[in-house]
Amino acid sequence: DAKTTQPTSMDCAEGRAANLPCNHSTISGNEYVYWYRQIHSQGPQYIIHGLKNNETNEMASLIITEDRKSSTLILPHATLRDTAVYYCIVRLENQGGKLIFGQGTELSVKP
Amino acid sequence: EAGVTQFPSHSVIEKGQTVTLRCDPISGHDNLYWYRRVMGKEIKFLLHFVKESKQDESGMPNNRFLAERTGGTYSTLKVQPAELEDSGVYFCASSQEPGALTFGSGTRLTVV
Repeated sequence: DAKTTQPTSMDCAEGRAANLPCNHSTISGNEYVYWYRQIHSQGPQYIIHGLKNNETNEMASLIITEDRKSSTLILPHATLRDTAVYYCIVRLENQGGKLIFGQGTELSVKP
Repeated sequence: EAGVTQFPSHSVIEKGQTVTLRCDPISGHDNLYWYRRVMGKEIKFLLHFVKESKQDESGMPNNRFLAERTGGTYSTLKVQPAELEDSGVYFCASSQEPGALTFGSGTRLTVV
């Protein structure tokens, strides 16, 4: 499995965009990039995933660089409820549900 | 739709006792997973069911852990006998297709 590197922590002002980076320089061609988050005392929550193209859903946008060695999760208008640990995970499509969680980025959204 | 339900939410047991955790996946989800986070560590995969069959149990720590999913609906994870290092939060997740998992809120297990 490709390893990911994320900053340990980040701060963001409420209402501003939160941009969470992730490096996955050893990613292979058939590995997807997934983002999950864990709000304190809850289970992890799926946010978004992508392979090559940028993706957007109601929660966030995922920007993957052309060489696929890094990606950025964007929360366009962060709220206090977005305070959580965000995990960037690379996963083979035929790997089943075996997700390898790292330390993640602890995002603090401040008023 | 109802989410993934786990029971109990908390359990405190003595070392050497047995504990059984239950998970009810989202209806219709063939894939069911168990994960856990022990104190200070990262969330770790334990195993994956497809319907009632174990697809991948590579993360099960030892033979004190037994997972079942009879009938392909709910699943149980039994720890027997429990040890202190088993303390942590046990998460269950389900999905229709592998990938975007829906997690439950977890069972916090404390072994004293």
